Amino acid sequence: ETGVTQSPTHLIKTRGQQVTLRCSSQSGHNTVSWYQQALGQGPQFIFQYYREEENGRGNFPPRFSGLQFPNYSSELNVNALELDDSALYLCASSWTGEEEKLFFGSGTQLSVL
Amino acid sequence: GENVEQHPSTLSVQEGDSAVIKCTYSDSASNYFPWYKQELGKGPQLIIDIRSNVGEKKDQRIAVTLNKTAKHFSLHITETQPEDSAVYFCAASLLSGGYNKLIFGAGTRLAVHP
Repeated sequence: ETGVTQSPTHLIKTRGQQVTLRCSSQSGHNTVSWYQQALGQGPQFIFQYYREEENGRGNFPPRFSGLQFPNYSSELNVNALELDDSALYLCASSWTGEEEKLFFGSGTQLSVL
Repeated sequence: GENVEQHPSTLSVQEGDSAVIKCTYSDSASNYFPWYKQELGKGPQLIIDIRSNVGEKKDQRIAVTLNKTAKHFSLHITETQPEDSAVYFCAASLLSGGYNKLIFGAGTRLAVHP
């Protein structure tokens, strides 16, 4: 059984740029959620994808967007990067019937300079 | 609004001692409460969870208790070992608009000294 994998592991961008983060869900999982974890804090919900559609969103602006593909993998896109976007971005997968039981990847550490 | 408070923020124990981390949630509709362990450079790892129809759950050295009336839940680690050192997060599941999301506490940094 393959766990949740994320790429890249680290990324450095400058303010105003755009970034795409990628996630492969755990085998058998069809729901993907993205969380932002600032340094020293707990993860915060960005959005969730199921059947290739966003079915829930947290308190994040529209410049945070995502995609889910037929194989359940997902992307997180952030436009017009701001310094405060520097954080660990975590992808988590789950399966229908236990959507709230999340299994996280190791995350992508994004630094915005 | 939805909120999970976690205490303490740091906890230092001697190897073999017990450790207790406590959380309080605000939304009475929450019905699922997982605990995650996060080691440096890694993502959160689910270590134990409990649903609202159960008051206590145990898995080897780890146990979780839930008091729905008081909206409190706690993680208990017995016979702590140095490899238990990590940041621990509690969370509460909130069903909103047809989807579930987890609301996390701010974390507890546990240090187990040999």
